[in-house]
Amino acid sequence: QVQLQESGPGLVKPSETLSLTCTVSGGSVGSGRYYWSWIRQPPGKGLEWIGYIYYSGSTNYNPSLKSRVTISVDTSKNQFSLKLSSVTAADTAVYYCARQNGDYVGHPFDYWGQGTLVTVSS
Amino acid sequence: DIQMTQSPSSVSASVGDRVTVTCRASQGISTWLAWYQQKPGKAPKLLIYAASSLQSGVPSRFSGSGSGTDFTLTISSLQPEDFATYYCQQANSFPLTFGGGTKVEIK
Repeated sequence: QVQLQESGPGLVKPSETLSLTCTVSGGSVGSGRYYWSWIRQPPGKGLEWIGYIYYSGSTNYNPSLKSRVTISVDTSKNQFSLKLSSVTAADTAVYYCARQNGDYVGHPFDYWGQGTLVTVSS
Repeated sequence: DIQMTQSPSSVSASVGDRVTVTCRASQGISTWLAWYQQKPGKAPKLLIYAASSLQSGVPSRFSGSGSGTDFTLTISSLQPEDFATYYCQQANSFPLTFGGGTKVEIK
C-alpha cells in the first residue's frame, strides 16, 4: 500500500520561503511510472494544483505560481520536496502531496498524503 | 487554463436519494475527467477516472458519465457515509484544474 506523508513547518513568516517534504512508502519515486505532485487548498476553499516532478527531475509548474515554485526529488530518500518563495497570507493553505497514476497528463491522483496546514503570519 | 465549473455548489438530500452533480469544462477535454470525494479534515479520495471508470474499491452506487465539456457524477442511492464535498478535475492538459466543489449535505 502506497503512503505519502508531508512534513515541514506549520508557520512561515511573510516574504520567507515555505519548504515541505513528502516521504513516500510502499512505492518508489524513482520507478519512472508516476508523476509526483503538490496540491494546495486554502481554508474553506477548493483545490489548486501546484506542480509535479518526475523521477528524472523534469518538472511542470502551474503558471500562476511558476515564478515562486521549485519542486525537487531525492530518490535515495524516496522523497520529493516543495519550495515556495516570497509567501504571503494568500499562501496559507493545507498542502497535499499526491501521486498521479501514470507518467501522462491524463492519469488521476490515486494516492494522497494526509495534508499539512501551513499558515503564513508574522 | 481550462476552467471547471461545478453545479450546484451545494445540495441537500436524504439517505436513499439519487444525487447528480454536474461539471462543465471551458473547452473540450474528451473523457479526461476525474471525480474526488473529500470529507472534512481529510484528503480527497479518487472515485472516478476517465469520466466513467470506477476506481477500485469504490461502491458501485457511484457512476460518472459525459465527454467533451459536460460531465455528471451520480450517486444512485445516497448513504450516510456519502455526505461530503465532491470535486471534478480535468486531466486533459496542464495546468491541471479542479472544479469549485459540490457539498452534499443532509436534508
